[in-house]
Amino acid sequence: GAGVSQSPSNKVTEKGKDVELRCDPISGHTALYWYRQSLGQGLEFLIYFQGNSAPDKSGLPSDRFSAERTGGSVSTLTIQRTQQEDSAVYLCASSPLAGGVDEQYFGPGTRLTVT
Amino acid sequence: GENVEQHPSTLSVQEGDSAVIKCTYSDSASNYFPWYKQELGKRPQLIIDIRSNVGEKKDQRIAVTLNKTAKHFSLHITETQPEDSAVYFCAASIASTLTFGKGTMLLVSP
Repeated sequence: GAGVSQSPSNKVTEKGKDVELRCDPISGHTALYWYRQSLGQGLEFLIYFQGNSAPDKSGLPSDRFSAERTGGSVSTLTIQRTQQEDSAVYLCASSPLAGGVDEQYFGPGTRLTVT
Repeated sequence: GENVEQHPSTLSVQEGDSAVIKCTYSDSASNYFPWYKQELGKRPQLIIDIRSNVGEKKDQRIAVTLNKTAKHFSLHITETQPEDSAVYFCAASIASTLTFGKGTMLLVSP
């Protein structure tokens, strides 16, 4: 079946602009995660959704970052007034388990470059 | 919150040798420990995981050991092959979220 997909695959934006990144999880997966991966760094947790609610937003680095999920499926990560330090690969993952934790299936990521 | 340390950051081995990557975690309540492999330009993929009620798990050339008392876990790859070259991430979980280590770049030379 189809895996996790993300769009766009690459995004170049000017400092100060807003960007939206999209994630389509595997159908039926209730849990959805956003991570940020900077060059040479690990996977930095941003936010977790269970269904449409976000029980854990602790990883969002500032109030310029927000995310939503609708219909228990597609999620959008929005970064307002982008800064150069926001440049990174943004990865989305989904998991079938409702509560607890299990294997996470990752998307291909969106490479964001802020100039 | 949880903190995961991973060592070494880079590891070079000859084909056929064994490779060991070690991680420590801070929160004794963590109960799920997966390992992900990320090849260059690709997405991370789960290769093996272990839960806190077992001490060791094997899958062909890959094994993971867990010491809950010491709060550390390790990935062991035997008979390494060039296609094992990748970045490997460990992670620890409490409840529903994962905290990842910073990764180990493994290079297997033919």
